[in-house]
Amino acid sequence: SQKIEQNSEALNIQEGKTATLTCNYTNYSPAYLQWYRQDPGRGPVFLLLIRENEKEKRKERLKVTFDTTLKQSLFHITASQPADSATYLCALGRGYGQNFVFGPGTRLSVLP
Amino acid sequence: DAGVIQSPRHEVTEMGQEVTLRCKPISGHNSLFWYRQTMMRGLELLIYFNNNVPIDDSGMPEDRFSAKMPNASFSTLKIQPSEPRDSAVYFCASRPGGQGQGYTFGSGTRLTVV
Repeated sequence: SQKIEQNSEALNIQEGKTATLTCNYTNYSPAYLQWYRQDPGRGPVFLLLIRENEKEKRKERLKVTFDTTLKQSLFHITASQPADSATYLCALGRGYGQNFVFGPGTRLSVLP
Repeated sequence: DAGVIQSPRHEVTEMGQEVTLRCKPISGHNSLFWYRQTMMRGLELLIYFNNNVPIDDSGMPEDRFSAKMPNASFSTLKIQPSEPRDSAVYFCASRPGGQGQGYTFGSGTRLTVV
């Protein structure tokens, strides 16, 4: 069955550094991959979507890569700030009209 | 736009009682999703609708769960009878039809069955 793993449950980094989160998947061939941010007590918030034929996408301080050979996506936050502290979820989908399956999430803490 | 609206925000009920969760998607979004989130299992899809029609309900745990979408602006998720293991946060999300768009989630309903 398909499986999605995110690098670790929790990641602590120092303010100003680049945070790198990993999303790995097996037994799946997604056409789309999304990243979401979730704060405690809130619903996930959509950040970025990348397609299988795109290698990289950027939005402000965020950068996402998608390597279908390695079956991996990397999510980078540059110049991280304490306000970036949250749980980040990746989600994979095969077809746009279909459901996306979510990974377990990584809790990022940016320390001042 | 008020976003995806879910009610109630919190629900505490006794085992065996019926629970109804409500969702109003964003106007113009043609897909609606019900998810359940727990610490152990993460975010799990229960059911989703396209244009008010249920497409995939394979995530609905058992016959105690049912979902309806009578029109484009309203959906319900019902649990009858409820059990303690149903305790979780239930999210509703909607999405427009165009590509390149993610889901917009509601704030969720925290359900506690005692």
